[in-house]
Amino acid sequence: NAGVTQTPKFQVLKTGQSMTLQCAQDMNHNSMYWYRQDPGMGLRLIYYSASEGTTDKGEVPNGYNVSRLNKREFSLRLESAAPSQTSVYFCASSKSPGQGYEQFFGPGTRLTVL
Amino acid sequence: EDKVVQSPLSLVVHEGDTVTLNCSYEVTNFRSLLWYKQEKKAPTFLFMLTSSGIEKKSGRLSSILDKKELSSILNITATQTGDSAIYLCAVSVNTGNQFYFGTGTSLTVIP
Repeated sequence: NAGVTQTPKFQVLKTGQSMTLQCAQDMNHNSMYWYRQDPGMGLRLIYYSASEGTTDKGEVPNGYNVSRLNKREFSLRLESAAPSQTSVYFCASSKSPGQGYEQFFGPGTRLTVL
Repeated sequence: EDKVVQSPLSLVVHEGDTVTLNCSYEVTNFRSLLWYKQEKKAPTFLFMLTSSGIEKKSGRLSSILDKKELSSILNITATQTGDSAIYLCAVSVNTGNQFYFGTGTSLTVIP
């Protein structure tokens, strides 16, 4: 059981470039999430997917898009990267938040936008 | 707007000390409060609390929820250097599937 995996681990982009962060979970969880973590700001929710086929905006969705490809995979796309998107990105999954289950996190992607 | 606040922001203690970390929340339709430990990488789950006054315990760590005061504490007794980490508090609500995180408490344990 790998849990939640993310690729890549590190990425450096130039302003205006695009990229997709990949996330997969093998725990048969219904819900998946993308967060960004900045110093002094805690974890802020970008987008989440309550179940396969649905996606919803979180607290800071501007500049990002997501795709819930299937039950296992949830990707985050930056169409035109900006320096303000320099951050550590975490993907997480949960069995069923509606029943109070906790989240499991991936190892994170450290993104730098120059 | 839903909010989760943790205090203190940072804490430095000596090995063997006991520490208490605080989390307060203002959310609509509270469901549960969760504590996570984050070392260099991803947060790892510690406790989930749903009922007021019932202590959850794991080794030297314990936590309790007070729904009347809208808060929770995380206690760590006989601290060790391996307890050095950021401790995150999160709250889930009955409406929707989101978790709201506080900014965390950074704990440093000095030998």
